[in-house]
This record gives sequence, C-alpha cells and structure tokens, in this order.
Amino acid sequence: AQSVTQPDIHITVSEGASLELRCNYSYGATPYLFWYVQSPGQGLQLLLKYFSGDTLVQGIKGFEAEFKRSQSSFNLRKPSVHWSDAAEYFCAVGARAAGNKLTFGGGTRVLVKP
Amino acid sequence: EADIYQTPRYLVIGTGKKITLECSQTMGHDKMYWYQQDPGMELHLIHYSYGVNSTEKGDLSSESTVSRIRTEHFPLTLESARPSHTSQYLCASSASGSPGPEAFFGQGTRLTVV
Repeated sequence: AQSVTQPDIHITVSEGASLELRCNYSYGATPYLFWYVQSPGQGLQLLLKYFSGDTLVQGIKGFEAEFKRSQSSFNLRKPSVHWSDAAEYFCAVGARAAGNKLTFGGGTRVLVKP
Repeated sequence: EADIYQTPRYLVIGTGKKITLECSQTMGHDKMYWYQQDPGMELHLIHYSYGVNSTEKGDLSSESTVSRIRTEHFPLTLESARPSHTSQYLCASSASGSPGPEAFFGQGTRLTVV
C-alpha cells in the first residue's frame, strides 16, 4: 500500500524568505508524485508532478521539488515566498496500478509573516 | 475551457434530508473520484469510477452513494443527512491515457448538516 507523510503540520515563514516543505512516501515501485496547493475554501491546484526523468522538477508559481529515491522524499521548495503563498500544501503519491488513485499526506499549512 | 465543476459550493441542510452533490467535467476523463476532507485534515478517497456504470468504494467508508451514467457526470448522494456528514467534498478526474495519474480537482462543496 502507498502512504505519504508530511512531518510539518504548520510552517511560518517571513515574506521573501525561502521555504521548504517535506514529504516522505512509501511505495513499492517507482511512484508518481505530486504537490497540490489549497487556498481556504478552495479545491486543489496542481503545483508540480514527478513521473520520471530529471529528479528536479519545476512547477507553477516559482515552486520546484526534488525527488530523492534513496530517501523516499519529494520535498517542495521556493526561494522567496510571497504573501499569496499562504495556503495548505499537500503531497500525494499515485500509481497507474492503483487505478490512478491518489494517496495524500496530512498537509502542511504555510503562514507568511509580513 | 475544459474544467471540473461542483455544485453547490456551500450547502447547509437539516438532519434527515436527502442531498445530491453534483460534479461534472468537460475534459473527457474516464476516471472520476470523490474525496472527503474534514477541516484542516487530509483528503480521504470515498468513491471512484473507472468509467460509465463503474463505481467502487474508496479507502474511507462512507454512507454516501454515487452513480456514473454519463462520462462527464459523477453525482454523490446522501439519502439521509446527519451532522457527522458535515465536511468538505472534493470531486476529481483523471485520464487513463495521460502519462501519469494526474488528477484535476473541482472547487469543492462544503456541506454542513444541522
């Protein structure tokens, strides 16, 4: 069975500072990995995805993530956060063999200080 | 514009009422999903469908039911709403033909049962 752990429930960062959100996954084969963002009262928007190839993937809104197979991690980063980045971030793992179903982590809430 | 739509966005209803949450997608995706999300919590899969006339229960047990009579439409029904059903319900879709299990989400329906 696949599972995802996001160790940080809350992170507070100052505007302009860098941000890193941690994600660890468990899956028997090469996983498909995703980061989604959810603003209050909204649905989920896909930030970026990893399917294969280059382990550093670029996404929207200036986010990037690095897949590290040896650490079973897929951490999300942004060099300089903006106040509009305050939201809930979810890491997810999926597999074609599982019918494209996604398993989500518990989420990390990001607060941005002025 | 291809998208996935959920209605209503917000619903407050009395105990014992029957409700149907609507979900439609214009992307031609064969797979569709319903996730349940309690405030500040992770998403749990409650139903999924691989195509017309195909529906399955998800990882989290739910008293709701779903149907898939048309490819683009995947409504969720609660025959008798209870306060324990208060939650946010997110609909998603994905395509078998895509490189990976990328899912697109609707805006969600926030249900409150009083």
